Amino acid sequence: GESVGLHLPTLSVQEGDNSIINCAYSNSASDYFIWYKQESGKGPQFIIDIRSNMDKRQGQRVTVLLNKTVKHLSLQIAATQPGDSAVYFCAEKTEYGNKLVFGAGTILRVKS
Amino acid sequence: SAVISQKPSRDICQRGTSLTIQCQVDSQVTMMFWYRQQPGQSLTLIATANQGSEATYESGFVIDKFPISRPNLTFSTLTVSNMSPEDSSIYLCSVDLETDTQYFGPGTRLTVL
Repeated sequence: GESVGLHLPTLSVQEGDNSIINCAYSNSASDYFIWYKQESGKGPQFIIDIRSNMDKRQGQRVTVLLNKTVKHLSLQIAATQPGDSAVYFCAEKTEYGNKLVFGAGTILRVKS
Repeated sequence: SAVISQKPSRDICQRGTSLTIQCQVDSQVTMMFWYRQQPGQSLTLIATANQGSEATYESGFVIDKFPISRPNLTFSTLTVSNMSPEDSSIYLCSVDLETDTQYFGPGTRLTVL
């Protein structure tokens, strides 16, 4: 079956440093990936997405990297701020359906 | 994106009772989804709700426990029936805007005593 997992359940970074959150996926048929941010007491918020025909996509202070060879996805946050403290989830979708499969989540803690 | 609201935002219920959660979207969408997020865990899809057809349930979830309605293209309800403490979770609805991306509501935080 398909599964998405994360390497690091908790990540602590100093304010101003860059953060890297990793995600491994097992379904080679997945062709669309999303990163979500979930703050305490809120629903997941879309951050950035990437399709399988790309290996990098940049947003505002965030970059997603996709390595299809090793089925690995990462989210890079530049100049991490206290407001970035949240749980981050990766999710994948295959071209054959509309379902999202979520990874376990990584807690990002930003130290001031 | 879409603006999605859920009611109630939170509730505390007694075991054996049922709770209906509402999800309202500010635009017409074909596909709506219901997820469960147990404490400290990730999101698990309960079912997909398309307007005009019966909901499609994921393995481990059944209609008798989680009946869903989808009366129109902007609204859906999820009922958690005959609740037990194990049903204490955050219940989230999401919509697919046919761009592959799903957007989520704020969630309903349910505690069952």
